[in-house]
Amino acid sequence: DGGITQSPKYLFRKEGQNVTLSCEQNLNHDAMYWYRQDPGQGLRLIYYSQIVNDFQKGDIAEGYSVSREKKESFPLTVTSAQKNPTAFYLCASSWNTYTGELFFGEGSRLTVL
Amino acid sequence: SQQGEEDPQALSIQEGENATMNCSYKTSINNLQWYRQNSGRGLVHLILIRSNEREKHSGRLRVTLDTSKKSSSLLITASRAADTASYFCATDQASGGYQKVTFGTGTKLQVIP
Repeated sequence: DGGITQSPKYLFRKEGQNVTLSCEQNLNHDAMYWYRQDPGQGLRLIYYSQIVNDFQKGDIAEGYSVSREKKESFPLTVTSAQKNPTAFYLCASSWNTYTGELFFGEGSRLTVL
Repeated sequence: SQQGEEDPQALSIQEGENATMNCSYKTSINNLQWYRQNSGRGLVHLILIRSNEREKHSGRLRVTLDTSKKSSSLLITASRAADTASYFCATDQASGGYQKVTFGTGTKLQVIP
C-alpha cells in the first residue's frame, strides 16, 4: 500500500541530545513537509522540500535541520538548540508544492525529559 | 505565523444537526483546503477549492470560498458521532518562488450521539 511512514511513533529524549525523526514515502511525490503541532493548536511549518537536494525553511526552522538526499526520504533532526522540542511532529508529502492535497503520516510524539 | 484562523475554536452539536466551521486568512491564495484530524493521528484531506471557485460539494461536505472577504466555510450536514474530530483549513502562499502550505488553528468538533 502507498503511503507515508513516520518513525518512531513515540520518542523520549534527554535535554541536550539531538534526535532524528524518520519520514519515508512510496507515493513518488516530489514535495515533502515537516510540521509541528502543540497541544490544542494548529500545525506550524518547519521545513519543506520541493525536490531532491533542495529544501526551504518554514515558519519555525530554528533548532531543526533536514536533508533530502532521496526522493522518498525527508528526515528531521531536532537539535539541542531547539528550546522547546516536546511536540507532535507530522510529515506530509504532495505531488508538488503547487497542486495542493497533502498526504500525512501518523506522526511522531517527542517528549523531552 | 498562522495564515488561517478557524472559528469557532470548539463546537458541540447533537447527532443529525449540521456543523459549520469558518476560516479566515490573510494573503491571496491559489487554493484552500480542509483537513480532518482524529485525536493523536495524522491529518486527512477532505476537500480542495480553488480561488476561482465559490462553492464545492463532496458527499455531506459543502465548502464555500469568498476571496473578497478572505474567508471560507465548511458545512457538514447530518452529522454523525464519527465526525468528531478537529478540522483545519490550509492555504498555499507564494514564498520566494515556492508555494508553502500553512494551516489554521483548527475547530474541534464534538458530535454527541
